[in-house]
Amino acid sequence: ETGVTQTPRHLVMGMTNKKSLKCEQHLGHNAMYWYKQSAKKPLELMFVYNFKEQTENNSVPSRFSPECPNSSHLFLHLHTLQPEDSALYLCASSQERRSSGNTIYFGEGSWLTVV
Amino acid sequence: AQKVTQAQTEISVVEKEDVTLDCVYETRDTTYYLFWYKQPPSGELVFLIRRNSFDEQNEISGRYSWNFQKSTSSFNFTITASQVVDSAVYFCALSEVNSGGGADGLTFGKGTHLIIQP
Repeated sequence: ETGVTQTPRHLVMGMTNKKSLKCEQHLGHNAMYWYKQSAKKPLELMFVYNFKEQTENNSVPSRFSPECPNSSHLFLHLHTLQPEDSALYLCASSQERRSSGNTIYFGEGSWLTVV
Repeated sequence: AQKVTQAQTEISVVEKEDVTLDCVYETRDTTYYLFWYKQPPSGELVFLIRRNSFDEQNEISGRYSWNFQKSTSSFNFTITASQVVDSAVYFCALSEVNSGGGADGLTFGKGTHLIIQP
């Protein structure tokens, strides 16, 4: 059983819909991440939360809105998406770091299709 | 700026052959960490190994082995006696030390799609 769980695993939404992706980690970690994986592109870091505080936003469009209510849960709220936003969205977690190197553990991902 | 290059987009071998996946990285830091992840068709990225920049000792774990060479900025991954279950996309990744503290995430290569044919 994976330590990072994501729901839903598959989501199809229209461009005018509002939906959310949910992530929960059971590893006692303090940092959580959203990554986007598109076809033929490297994994892109979208957001980083450290102890519930957003520490990084990699120029992500405002139609993606993250929420981190506590260290174990992370959401990605989606609204008015575009077809090019169709991708695999991966949640991950790691121990809070004062230096890099802590291993990042990933969930199984949420496959998003925007129609 | 940091960068990870996996020049092999796709590799196909017959089961039981040995296969090496290449990874070349760029970084200005002297302290950094390198990772390999496996991504099966289900999508989850499975952690395989982490290596810090001060530890150039090669590592072996079962059929998997890793060759870290700072002189060539490479961190190659070899699967010995490959099996069909090894078929997946493999990612190499780099993490630099953040002097400001806090979580940073990883810089990934584009991945190598490994196909093991029975």
